[in-house]
Amino acid sequence: EVQLVESGGGLVQPGGSLTLSCAASGFTFTEFWMSWVRQAPGKGLEWLANINQDGTTIYYVDSVKGRFTIFRDNTKNSVSLQMNTLRPDDTAVYFCARKGLGDFWGQGTLVTVSS
Amino acid sequence: QSVLTQPPSVSAAPGQKVTISCSGRTSNIGYNPVSWYQQLPGTAPKLLIFDNNKRHSGISDRFSGSKSGTSATLDITGLQTGDEADYYCGSWDNGLSVVVFGGGTKLTVL
Repeated sequence: EVQLVESGGGLVQPGGSLTLSCAASGFTFTEFWMSWVRQAPGKGLEWLANINQDGTTIYYVDSVKGRFTIFRDNTKNSVSLQMNTLRPDDTAVYFCARKGLGDFWGQGTLVTVSS
Repeated sequence: QSVLTQPPSVSAAPGQKVTISCSGRTSNIGYNPVSWYQQLPGTAPKLLIFDNNKRHSGISDRFSGSKSGTSATLDITGLQTGDEADYYCGSWDNGLSVVVFGGGTKLTVL
């Protein structure tokens, strides 16, 4: 059974940093692209970034380029999202998903950016 | 403003059929496959349809997808109250080099 479990969310002050992690199991992690998607309260889905199987190809949406970094550890079957210079409009539930268009999704982790 | 355009809401009675549209551009839907997702209240999105018209594992045949040109549609037949959810379309955009989603459509089963 494919499982994706996010962790690392919480309350952070504007300008702060946070790193989210996603633990994957139930499939051969090294065979798949992985993605991060977020959803602000009451809003729709916003795709943020994805990373290929060996971490050599990465894409970001413009709104997070230069502030967020996606990376993966294939020895630990995990993908992470390092988030810097956080702003209040980064407040959202953050999901990791398998593949670019997400065939399986984690349950999400809430990030709140507020003073 | 989402890159892909969906109606904000649709509604129909139990047992009826509903169609949700998703309009894009050549750079996304025109060249790339479309996926559809269902998001029940308070839960993560779930993939329903990928590659325009293929049902994800375990998805009922009441859900079907199609694509023509720069638009796609999701049909849901035999509506049930449990189908009340938000539905999103998504596709890769060659020009932006990102995945783009529609703004979501709230389905109400009256």
